Amino acid sequence: SQQGEEDPQALSIQEGENATMNCSYKTSINNLQWYRQNSGRGLVHLILIRSNEREKHSGRLRVTLDTSKKSSSLLITASRAADTASYFCATRSGGGSYIPTFGRGTSLIVHP
Amino acid sequence: SQTIHQWPATLVQPVGSPLSLECTVEGTSNPNLYWYRQAAGRGLQLLFYSVGIGQISSEVPQNLSASRPQDRQFILSSKKLLLSDSGFYLCAWSVPGDQPQHFGDGTRLSIL
Repeated sequence: SQQGEEDPQALSIQEGENATMNCSYKTSINNLQWYRQNSGRGLVHLILIRSNEREKHSGRLRVTLDTSKKSSSLLITASRAADTASYFCATRSGGGSYIPTFGRGTSLIVHP
Repeated sequence: SQTIHQWPATLVQPVGSPLSLECTVEGTSNPNLYWYRQAAGRGLQLLFYSVGIGQISSEVPQNLSASRPQDRQFILSSKKLLLSDSGFYLCAWSVPGDQPQHFGDGTRLSIL
């Protein structure tokens, strides 16, 4: 079963707008990761946030984690057409398992 | 720097034929290796992972198998392909422990 579930499934915005994607999960986690996948390509790691962290930034990306609500969000500011891709969250639970569980992804389209 | 190579990029095979997909990693030693399958518009389904040569863990029972004959080589095989084996197959590696995964560019497999 999938641990993380992204919301919305699809998001369509204009260039320059901000894009926010959410990820909810069910059990406690060690960390949560966000990945990006361009059409027909492999996934690219964006950000890893640990369970004791609340916010991380990388360039135009901002990730927050709320362990009390079991949710995370990925914010892309000032979006560009090149940000068009699918975005996945992946969670790693405790107990010595280092295998991440991926959600179904959010498909983001940024119109120029 | 580390790189991951996955081939072929696309493959069209008849039902009942054998399969061999290969993945190699360069620039690192003793990586964890993973095979995923991604159905259209869906998340990633973990098929196999390996923490060392000859050590394979299967996540989903099916007619696929995996082998790790060398430290940085991971092979996905089947003796007889089914129509349901169609999909996008992704190989990934990670440093052992709680670290991000790095993906190859995938193989698009179509079964006719």
